[in-house]
Amino acid sequence: NAGVMQNPRHLVRRRGQEARLRCSPMKGHSHVYWYRQLPEEGLKFMVYLQKENIIDESGMPKERFSAEFPKEGPSILRIQQVVRGDSAAYFCASSPGSSGGASETQYFGPGTRLLVL
Amino acid sequence: AQSVTQLGSHVSVSEGALVLLRCNYSSSVPPYLFWYVQYPNQGLQLLLKYTTGATLVKGINGFEAEFKKSETSFHLTKPSAHMSDAAEYFCAVTETGGFKTIFGAGTRLFVKA
Repeated sequence: NAGVMQNPRHLVRRRGQEARLRCSPMKGHSHVYWYRQLPEEGLKFMVYLQKENIIDESGMPKERFSAEFPKEGPSILRIQQVVRGDSAAYFCASSPGSSGGASETQYFGPGTRLLVL
Repeated sequence: AQSVTQLGSHVSVSEGALVLLRCNYSSSVPPYLFWYVQYPNQGLQLLLKYTTGATLVKGINGFEAEFKKSETSFHLTKPSAHMSDAAEYFCAVTETGGFKTIFGAGTRLFVKA
């Protein structure tokens, strides 16, 4: 049973470009979470999605960031017009969605490390 | 609002010694509590979690944690450290009925031979 897949593992962008980060949840999981980790810091919640729905995006910056989890295919975190401050590790996690929200174990992917030059 | 405080950004122990990583939380309702471990350049792996029931929770790799409501704490312990335990450890909390998980800043564990 494959784990959570994220690609690319490393992404280099110049300021002003777009970054697209992909996350394929574990098989059978319908809930996806995105987190950002800055150096020497813990993970910061960004967004929680279920298939075709954004449930909680309270951690997303108001501009330039968007996320989707379509009916088919991976979840995408999109960052438009990247700036140096966007450089971080972005982690995706998935959960089954069967027992309901808060108590479910989240399974993490290996992360995408974004570097903005 | 929820918050998680991990005392000590770095903890160093000798191999075979007790490991104690501290975590305190604030939450307006009884929370669910988690400990995760992160090895370099990898994602987080769940060590253990508390949802309901017994307050002493056993996890993988010999770790355990005790939920103390009166102290709002969920400290992680392991009786005897192994070199392979060197990693970063994160405490996290989710409010019952909520979706957002709040992580502490992490504690990096060093194990000396």
